[in-house]
Amino acid sequence: QVQLVESGGGVVQPGRSLRLSCAASGFTFSTYGMHWVRQAPGKGLEWVAVISYDGSNKYYADSVKGRFTISRDNSRNTLYLQMNSLRPEDTAVYYCAKGGPGYSSSWYTYYFDYWGQGTLVTVSS
Amino acid sequence: SYVLTQPPSVSVAPGQTAWITCGGNNIESKSVHWYQQKPGQAPVLVVYDDSDRPSGIPERFAGSNSGNTATLTITRVEAGDEADYYCHVWDSSSDHRGVVFGGGTKLTVL
Repeated sequence: QVQLVESGGGVVQPGRSLRLSCAASGFTFSTYGMHWVRQAPGKGLEWVAVISYDGSNKYYADSVKGRFTISRDNSRNTLYLQMNSLRPEDTAVYYCAKGGPGYSSSWYTYYFDYWGQGTLVTVSS
Repeated sequence: SYVLTQPPSVSVAPGQTAWITCGGNNIESKSVHWYQQKPGQAPVLVVYDDSDRPSGIPERFAGSNSGNTATLTITRVEAGDEADYYCHVWDSSSDHRGVVFGGGTKLTVL
């Protein structure tokens, strides 16, 4: 069965960095786009970033562009989110989600059929 | 950038029908996906590509998309359907490329 397990969350001071990981299993990780989505406490879902199956294409939300970097290691079946220059407004539960298949030219428009359970990032002094 | 508008809340009695709307400019030209999220849990896909259901999702959940409004319809509502619901599209406008979520609708079962 498909499993996505996030890790790396915690409490960090403003301006510092943190790297999240998402370990995938139960599907051919290297053939699917992957997303990060976050949810601030008591708020709605906010998309963060997406990466294509081979890492060649990446898109970011304006709110994180230039500060966050999405990457993947297909040999380790792992997705990453490097978060730099963190701000209090980045406080949220961060979810990784499985996206569309790489063979599709519109892979980025696909739904998220599997989500991890999330990891909490708290940015506070 | 593209905006999706959902009503903050919808209330319905058990056994009745709930309609949750998602408004967006010419949304019918996009594929709309819907998620259910219960407190403390990750979202779950309930409808994709406007009107398809993943395996395991009851037929009571149905989606439609026309004009400027996509709709998630839940028939014969049960207490267990109480949750937040979010719509999702991909925005490919010239100034922004990315996923857009609606603000979410809290479904209350009376």
